[in-house]
Amino acid sequence: SAVISQKPSRDICQRGTSLTIQCQVDSQVTMMFWYRQQPGQSLTLIATANQGSEATYESGFVIDKFPISRPNLTFSTLTVSNMSPEDSSIYLCSQRGASTDTQYFGPGTRLTVL
Amino acid sequence: GENVEQHPSTLSVQEGDSAVIKCTYSDSASNYFPWYKQELGKGPQLIIDIRSNVGEKKDQRIAVTLNKTAKHFSLHITETQPEDSAVYFCAASRGNQGGKLIFGQGTELSVKP
Repeated sequence: SAVISQKPSRDICQRGTSLTIQCQVDSQVTMMFWYRQQPGQSLTLIATANQGSEATYESGFVIDKFPISRPNLTFSTLTVSNMSPEDSSIYLCSQRGASTDTQYFGPGTRLTVL
Repeated sequence: GENVEQHPSTLSVQEGDSAVIKCTYSDSASNYFPWYKQELGKGPQLIIDIRSNVGEKKDQRIAVTLNKTAKHFSLHITETQPEDSAVYFCAASRGNQGGKLIFGQGTELSVKP
């Protein structure tokens, strides 16, 4: 399996502010991903975090709203910008190795926007 | 693109009974099918997966079956225990050929003592 940590584990934020979530993995994996899980819903892929270059975003997600960094192979950040109550969700970091299909998830960051 | 449908959305069983959760997928090129268990307040945990060159895989009380022709796969949990209570998600992807995991809607399993 894999060890993935996320900070913070939860936060309550005011409308209009931004929050940066950190993800640390325990091995030099090839691929890191960010997902959103809205209350009571399934997981939706936000973007693939690319090391040393711009992230690859899925339809419906844009860099201005969800800027992502990945300065090295084991660390990535996701920022939720100019937050509104609709951004209240669980944000999950995920990783997959170079030659495997297997994908593991972190514990998630539970965000509430007031 | 890929679409994954999962049924039922909720499932309640008595302890010791079996539970079955079913998923269908639309992309015939999908070849990797994992199942995740998500307990309250935690991230999804991979519990079993199957690849398209295999029809069935078992791990103790958990098994997964795959029917490529019909494009559906199922999770079977035998001798259920209260600690099996959680939300279960199926997913499908084209695997390590750049595939992205597409998730089903989830099944909330409740095992009553």
